[in-house]
Amino acid sequence: DGGITQSPKYLFRKEGQNVTLSCEQNLNHDAMYWYRQDPGQGLRLIYYSQIVNDFQKGDIAEGYSVSREKKESFPLTVTSAQKNPTAFYLCASRLQGSTGELFFGEGSRLTVL
Amino acid sequence: GESVGLHLPTLSVQEGDNSIINCAYSNSASDYFIWYKQESGKGPQFIIDIRSNMDKRQGQRVTVLLNKTVKHLSLQIAATQPGDSAVYFCAENMEGSARQLTFGSGTQLTVLP
Repeated sequence: DGGITQSPKYLFRKEGQNVTLSCEQNLNHDAMYWYRQDPGQGLRLIYYSQIVNDFQKGDIAEGYSVSREKKESFPLTVTSAQKNPTAFYLCASRLQGSTGELFFGEGSRLTVL
Repeated sequence: GESVGLHLPTLSVQEGDNSIINCAYSNSASDYFIWYKQESGKGPQFIIDIRSNMDKRQGQRVTVLLNKTVKHLSLQIAATQPGDSAVYFCAENMEGSARQLTFGSGTQLTVLP
């Protein structure tokens, strides 16, 4: 079945370490997105990409980096520069960049120890 | 209804009753709206969408109403079931904006036995 796969589901990190969250989709979607979700809050956009080898910053890009070397993959790196990285991270995709629903993965929960 | 903040609005309903979840959206230029359901620890799931040229759309047990005059969106769930307990988000999108959907902070729906 087609879908979006995020891994790992749970991740623990020590302060000062970089971690990379994986997001893979087999929906043949052009656009991919990373959101951060904190308790009691809505989703905030970190980065998005409409085509391979191109991506744009969202509202809270500081301390994060991404790459889009393949259409299917959009990994997110949480760097040591991110001051408060503990959160639930959601990857999403949609067929075209400007219309239609977003399809979400099951999320990755990052905890900084 | 939805609001920005650290405390989710909550709605408790008896099993079998109808639920109404409200959302005030921010951008009068938004022309596409989606309701998502998010269960604890999971990614959001699409429920129903509506375009701005409509004021009502029905799905299976769900109805979305759009009032563009007051920038208000509502989700009605008929005969609410225990499996409907979740956080519900509305999201808005402006045509031509590849950037993102803008999400509300969500409403926690609890179905009482």
